[in-house]
Amino acid sequence: DAGVTQSPTHLIKTRGQQVTLRCSPKSGHDTVSWYQQALGQGPQFIFQYYEEEERQRGNFPDRFSGHQYPNYSSELNVNALLLGDSALYLCASSLDGTSGANVLTFGAGSRLTVL
Amino acid sequence: AQSVTQLGSHVSVSEGALVLLRCNYSSSVPPYLFWYVQYPNQGLQLLLKYTSAATLVKGINGFEAEFKKSETSFHLTKPSAHMSDAAEYFCAVNLFTGGFKTIFGAGTRLFVKA
Repeated sequence: DAGVTQSPTHLIKTRGQQVTLRCSPKSGHDTVSWYQQALGQGPQFIFQYYEEEERQRGNFPDRFSGHQYPNYSSELNVNALLLGDSALYLCASSLDGTSGANVLTFGAGSRLTVL
Repeated sequence: AQSVTQLGSHVSVSEGALVLLRCNYSSSVPPYLFWYVQYPNQGLQLLLKYTSAATLVKGINGFEAEFKKSETSFHLTKPSAHMSDAAEYFCAVNLFTGGFKTIFGAGTRLFVKA
């Protein structure tokens, strides 16, 4: 049973470019959350997708957008990249998200470097 | 105000010594508390969770945490550290804002000395 898979694992972009990161959730999970983890910091919540809709959003600008497909897979898009967007981007899946006891299953992350 | 606060960004212990990683939560958050661990170059994985059942929660790899409402704390402990415990540990809480989202503390890096 595959867990959460993310691609690509590493990528390098230059300022002003756009990037798309992809995530396939754990089998049976229907909710996908994206996090940004800067070096030496905890994961910061970007947004959460459920039933192909953005259900919740953290304190991130509109340059960060996403999508969820009918098969529950998801994409994170970042436009007009800034140096400060360099980070590990983590995808996490869960079941529904309406239970406080909900546990996240994480992928290994996509490390983005912006030059 | 932070939902969870981890005291100490780095903790160093000797192999075989007690591990204590501190986490305090905001009294306004619901009691859905978690500890996750992140090994180098990996994603996070769940160590244990508290969801208003027993206040002492046992997790994987010999870790446990005690929910203390009077102290608003959820500290993580392990009686005897092993070299393989060296990792980053994150305290987290599930907050409801139209659905539950998980908010993480800043993390504590555990070093284990031989």
